[in-house]
Amino acid sequence: AQSVTQPDIHITVSEGASLELRCNYSYGATPYLFWYVQSPGQGLQLLLKYFSGDTLVQGIKGFEAEFKRSQSSFNLRKPSVHWSDAAVYFCAVGAGGSQGNLIFGKGTKLSVKP
Amino acid sequence: EAGVTQSPTHLIKTRGQQATLRCSPISGHTSVYWYQQALGLGLQFLLWYDEGEERNRGNFPPRFSGRQFPNYSSELNVNALELEDSALYLCASTRGAKNIQYFGAGTRLSVL
Repeated sequence: AQSVTQPDIHITVSEGASLELRCNYSYGATPYLFWYVQSPGQGLQLLLKYFSGDTLVQGIKGFEAEFKRSQSSFNLRKPSVHWSDAAVYFCAVGAGGSQGNLIFGKGTKLSVKP
Repeated sequence: EAGVTQSPTHLIKTRGQQATLRCSPISGHTSVYWYQQALGLGLQFLLWYDEGEERNRGNFPPRFSGRQFPNYSSELNVNALELEDSALYLCASTRGAKNIQYFGAGTRLSVL
């Protein structure tokens, strides 16, 4: 069965430091992968997506993610974190590829120290 | 262009009552997904509607139901509310083959 694992429940980084959030997926075919961010009391905002092609994808707000098939990973990175990046980040895989619901990881809460 | 809109923002009910949540997709989007985000349980898929038909449902009891209207808006109904139904209910819409889902801000349902 498809699944997504985000090993880190909570991460704290200093403002200006680099960030990497881990995501591992289990999926039989070529996955459709997504990263979303949820600010307190809000819905989910799409940061970036991977369908095929270039394994390094760029998203909004300076985020990028790298798809590594051999490691079944899709880690999210940002070179310099801003205080406004504090939120919960969710990795997701399309359950049916190009159709159907998304399967989400449990999320990683990011705190930013001044 | 307006995003996905959900109403009401907050809903307070008592155990045994019924709740109705509404979702308006982005203009041009024909698919609507409902997810439940309960504390400690993460985001769980509830229902998927496309072109007015229910395409799939998650592992939830039948008292969770819904429909999609001809204008592609959708309604989620929860009957015989239980305390554990308290959660944030998120609606997402999409169109096309890439299944890029855009989410609304959610309805916070509290069951007392």
